Amino acid sequence: DIQMTQSPSSLPASVGDRVTITCRASQSISNHLNWYQHKPGKAPKLLIYGASSLQTEVPSRFSGSGSGTDFALTISSLQPDDFATYYCQQSHSTFYTFGQGTKVEIK
Amino acid sequence: QVQLQESGPGLVKPSQTLSLTCTVSGDSISGGGYFWSWIRQNPEMGLEWIGYIYYSGNTYYNPYLQGRATMSRDTSKNQFSLRLSSVGAADTAVYYCARGGDAYGDFDYWGQGSLVTVSP
Repeated sequence: DIQMTQSPSSLPASVGDRVTITCRASQSISNHLNWYQHKPGKAPKLLIYGASSLQTEVPSRFSGSGSGTDFALTISSLQPDDFATYYCQQSHSTFYTFGQGTKVEIK
Repeated sequence: QVQLQESGPGLVKPSQTLSLTCTVSGDSISGGGYFWSWIRQNPEMGLEWIGYIYYSGNTYYNPYLQGRATMSRDTSKNQFSLRLSSVGAADTAVYYCARGGDAYGDFDYWGQGSLVTVSP
């Protein structure tokens, strides 16, 4: 199975900060990488698919980059609604796997 | 607008079978281009993909569940279901159903989640 490793696990940040979360795959996954935002008690929300394509109605301050084994999710200017946990997910293998999550919290 | 809603018992005894149903509205589970999945979350494992049932009815499961998971569907009710046998404490989790896209393997619609606790 393909292991997904996110860093950091926790990211203290302030409103207006530029925030970057990284995700590394244990083998090359081309651009088969998706990003989600998850808030307690709510359904996870798809942000980015195919490593860099913005899902419909997701604000443009979110962007994704990378290919192969190294990927990043960037929030250009953190907003109050963005404090949440973020997960990457690979879809290169049919045995889908997720990263362990990065919690973006108030500094 | 596509909506998914999980339903089923919130408490299951150890060694018994967990059963959940996902009711889908706004899309047909037998239509092309998508697959229908179960995903769970617990503090130890984070998000864990359980399996999917394709629009054709084919299924595929997380091999680490060692054959305990079975998915089925009722196209007349536009529902798909999960049965997880021989449950233990490690199966305590919030269970989500979700729609996955063929092209990118991304999960674009999710249910709100159903907490299932395994306890005597």
